[in-house]
Amino acid sequence: AQSVTQLDSQVPVFEEAPVELRCNYSSSVSVYLFWYVQYPNQGLQLLLKYLSGSTLVESINGFEAEFNKSQTSFHLRKPSVHISDTAEYFCAVRETSGSRLTFGEGTQLTVNP
Amino acid sequence: ETGVTQTPRHLVMGMTNKKSLKCEQHLGHNAMYWYKQSAKKPLELMFVYSLEERVENNSVPSRFSPECPNSSHLFLHLHTLQPEDSALYLCASSQDRGGYTDTQYFGPGTRLTVL
Repeated sequence: AQSVTQLDSQVPVFEEAPVELRCNYSSSVSVYLFWYVQYPNQGLQLLLKYLSGSTLVESINGFEAEFNKSQTSFHLRKPSVHISDTAEYFCAVRETSGSRLTFGEGTQLTVNP
Repeated sequence: ETGVTQTPRHLVMGMTNKKSLKCEQHLGHNAMYWYKQSAKKPLELMFVYSLEERVENNSVPSRFSPECPNSSHLFLHLHTLQPEDSALYLCASSQDRGGYTDTQYFGPGTRLTVL
């Protein structure tokens, strides 16, 4: 079985500041890792994913995440946030041979002017 | 319509009502999922359908009854719900490649309130 821990439930930052949303996972087998974003009153949208290859993955809107196998982490970062990045962010993990996604509890990112 | 759509977007029902949630995916996927999202809790997987067969049922009370008539449509039939069932119900779809499942894509959800 796998589990996901998002260490911060709320992260308030000012616009144009850097941000890191932390995610740690636990699994006895190989996994794929995902970050989803949920804007207010909407469903989840895939932000980025790590399946294989380069451990640094990027999204089209400036977010990046790095898979660190030794630390079992997949932290999400952005060097300069915008007001429009305000949303809830979910880290998720899935076994490479399975279909079940296990989600963390989410981190609410609030970007203030 | 593109992606995954859900109707209705909002639903208020009494504990004795019967209602249904509908999900439709326009991505050509062969697997569909129902999740429950409650405040301050991780998403809970409720049901998984692959090739229209239910492959997972995670100890969900019988007052929730899923139906998958074809690979593009998924329903969640609701009856005699409890106030604690109030939540956002999310549908997702993916391509099941026989042991390997591609990324899941989510709909916007149905916000359910049980009075």
